[in-house]
Amino acid sequence: GEKVEQHESTLSVREGDSAVINCTYTDTASSYFPWYKQEAGKSLHFVIDIRSNVDRKQSQRLTVLLDKKAKRFSLHITATQPEDSAIYFCAASPNYNVLYFGSGTKLTVEP
Amino acid sequence: NAGVIQTPRHKVTGKGQEATLWCEPISGHSAVFWYRQTIVQGLEFLTYFRNQAPIDDSGMPKERFSAQMPNQSHSTLKIQSTQPQDSAVYLCASSFRGQGEVFFGKGTRLTVV
Repeated sequence: GEKVEQHESTLSVREGDSAVINCTYTDTASSYFPWYKQEAGKSLHFVIDIRSNVDRKQSQRLTVLLDKKAKRFSLHITATQPEDSAIYFCAASPNYNVLYFGSGTKLTVEP
Repeated sequence: NAGVIQTPRHKVTGKGQEATLWCEPISGHSAVFWYRQTIVQGLEFLTYFRNQAPIDDSGMPKERFSAQMPNQSHSTLKIQSTQPQDSAVYLCASSFRGQGEVFFGKGTRLTVV
């Protein structure tokens, strides 16, 4: 089955800097790649996604890049704010339904 | 839209007892998923229903765990003879037709003592 590796377990940046979280996947059939945010004590909240028919998607301060050849995708957050602090999970899906998650990256944005 | 509703939010059971967790998906969503979250294993897929039919239960432990979806408005996850290693946050999620954004509930924290 699909295995997703999330490379940064923790990431600390200064407010206003950019943050990048990298993930790799194993199943070439995966075609849907969402990102979720989990704040302390709360559940998962959808952030942004990308489908395999594109290699870049941007939504305000968030950009997702997808390199299908390398089986790698990444989340870029610009102009970080303290409220961006959370655990971010990447996921991959070969069938647009079951999600296989990475292990999470704890992002801390320091004022 | 109240989102995906899970009850109870917290459950403590004694080792060997049965635990039943409840999930109400978002109205109109035909796909329902169960995941388990622990510090050690992270987020693990358990099982998936579409239009109330079981589609994929490849993540379910073969013994003691079962899931049902008797109608479109609720699903249950039952764990028989609970063990300490079953302690986790169990997350229910739903999506529209099983494609696109998946919405998660707040989870049920199960503690087996």
